[in-house]
Amino acid sequence: EADIYQTPRYLVIGTGKKITLECSQTMGHDKMYWYQQDPGMELHLIHYSYGVNSTEKGDLSSESTVSRIRTEHFPLTLESARPSHTSQYLCASSEEGATNEKLFFGSGTQLSVL
Amino acid sequence: AQKVTQAQTEISVVEKEDVTLDCVYETRDTTYYLFWYKQPPSGELVFLIRRNSFDEQNEISGRYSWNFQKSTSSFNFTITASQVVDSAVYFCALSEALRGGNQFYFGTGTSLTVIP
Repeated sequence: EADIYQTPRYLVIGTGKKITLECSQTMGHDKMYWYQQDPGMELHLIHYSYGVNSTEKGDLSSESTVSRIRTEHFPLTLESARPSHTSQYLCASSEEGATNEKLFFGSGTQLSVL
Repeated sequence: AQKVTQAQTEISVVEKEDVTLDCVYETRDTTYYLFWYKQPPSGELVFLIRRNSFDEQNEISGRYSWNFQKSTSSFNFTITASQVVDSAVYFCALSEALRGGNQFYFGTGTSLTVIP
């Protein structure tokens, strides 16, 4: 029942291309996150935001950048994709201050860089 | 150091068997939250349960049950009478307060295969 959407679902591109992974949520959540999921399944936090114009880097260093101009939108951009960027990217959101805070996830974008 | 450890990488059971997925966590916070998420082949992580550090009561939801023990820093998940639809990757997660918000830490996941 999560209202968080990611596009595209799958993306295959060549090295050096600029790409933007889209993430939108309709729940009005202040907090949004990007996780990178390795083929071995582990999730790593790469970016998060606590609201409009707020962005922070996560635990895993990433060459990607994010922006948060609108509450509902949290796109992730790679200026020059490389094969090492091949991974699954998961977007999530949660409600600020909620007593039962939990993460809602999108379906993910599977990125393959050739 | 890994904050959430799921030692079982892959588990296979025959349908109708019970299975327990282990989760051990590490934190210095007195207030924290523990979660289990299910990731089916479709890729989306589905929330299963949230437990706060002050509530050690075990919880049962249908065929699912969770055993939270602070003394051993464990939050294990048991599926009773497993079904093929239970096949998925299961993640345990820990949430700690982080300067105005919560930081979520995930384990490496346990891939469960239920064989018909």
